[in-house]
Amino acid sequence: ETGVTQTPRHLVMGMTNKKSLKCEQHLGHNAMYWYKQSAKKPLELMFVYNFKEQTENNSVPSRFSPECPNSSHLFLHLHTLQPEDSALYLCASSRGLGNTGELFFGEGSRLTVL
Amino acid sequence: EDQVTQSPEALRLQEGESSSLNCSYTVSGLRGLFWYRQDPGKGPEFLFTLYSAGEEKEKERLKATLTKKESFLHITAPKPEDSATYLCAVQAYNYGQNFVFGPGTRLSVLP
Repeated sequence: ETGVTQTPRHLVMGMTNKKSLKCEQHLGHNAMYWYKQSAKKPLELMFVYNFKEQTENNSVPSRFSPECPNSSHLFLHLHTLQPEDSALYLCASSRGLGNTGELFFGEGSRLTVL
Repeated sequence: EDQVTQSPEALRLQEGESSSLNCSYTVSGLRGLFWYRQDPGKGPEFLFTLYSAGEEKEKERLKATLTKKESFLHITAPKPEDSATYLCAVQAYNYGQNFVFGPGTRLSVLP
């Protein structure tokens, strides 16, 4: 596989469920990101990891818990979400700190919270 | 306050009708300006990076230009397959690794 892959592509969960989103990049990049895309709003940065260390947390509620076991894999653990958390969650990667470089995005995970 | 705006919000063109999309930004210390294309239900696809005023990049029917305050994405003789939402994003030296995105322009090209 090439690029950035995300699973699942679609997820429906209740407010009391616990689920996880997975992201894997095959580009040899050192930085990985979670972005949230809601209807009619610009992409919002959630978290950034460099060399599997979290370097940015954009004031995200604790019901979203990221995990980055290595530079190629990124997870977003979800628990006790609210309906307003329904959105497209996008994973991206880039070359990393000190490099001006574009983001490469996955196809996204469409989350619906009932 | 640093911000990125895009205009128009939506644009409908006839096939072959050239036009331009605008991205205006107010940031201190621009590190790079990026254009993406996003199809419905999919992740953004990278198109161009521009680093300094006066720079231009081209790819097929698309041409991106940059000034100190804005960027334009020129679409020449568009085809229906160019229909998508076009996003611009900026990265500034004081943003760390944050890329700040504009709201996008939704382009529809009619046959």
